[in-house]
Amino acid sequence: QVQVQESGPGLVKPSETLSLTCTVSGGSISDYYWSWIRQPAGRGLEWIGRMFTSGRTNYNPSLKGRVTMSIDTSKKQFSLKLRSVTAADTAVYFCARELSPMTDDAFDIWGLGTMVTVSS
Amino acid sequence: EIVMTQSPATLSVSPGERATLSCRASQSVSNNLAWYQQKPGQAPKLLIYGASTRATGIPAKFSGSGSGTEFTLTISSLQSEDFAVYYCQQYNDWPPWTFGQGTKVEIK
Repeated sequence: QVQVQESGPGLVKPSETLSLTCTVSGGSISDYYWSWIRQPAGRGLEWIGRMFTSGRTNYNPSLKGRVTMSIDTSKKQFSLKLRSVTAADTAVYFCARELSPMTDDAFDIWGLGTMVTVSS
Repeated sequence: EIVMTQSPATLSVSPGERATLSCRASQSVSNNLAWYQQKPGQAPKLLIYGASTRATGIPAKFSGSGSGTEFTLTISSLQSEDFAVYYCQQYNDWPPWTFGQGTKVEIK
């Protein structure tokens, strides 16, 4: 049974870079799209972006070029970097997998989420 | 960007009754529409994909319908564990994938 788990600092200072890692266990990281999604407290879900195991990425234009994602298939991990953070980036960050290999699809596997607070 | 609009924002339902949730897309998403259930402090859980296909392990009390721009999630005979927030999401046109703002189903 595939599981994913987010890890990273829970507190980031304004203007710095938020860095998170998602570790995949119980199955292959290959051939799937892996996404980051966030949710501010009491609010809805925002898709940040995704990457494929080939290294191909798609990002949400609303984040205006602040996002970089990477993948390490040997470690079965993929990562998120969000630069120049502000308080508006405070949220629970989820990693998630799209259901079908190599196909745009719904998110069937979600991590538990990790809370990131942007504050000095 | 495709905007997903859910209605109502809050739905008050008595246990045992049926709930009908709506999701509208600002342009056609074909049948590339998913529904998720989220309980407090938990990650969203996939209920329906392809507008009408139940995800693995999801009971038949959850059903989805629609295509194009209008979609419905129906939950029959609500039980205590069904009271949660429900989100729709389109995966037809990116970037970005987009979610609705959610419908909270609460106990009446």
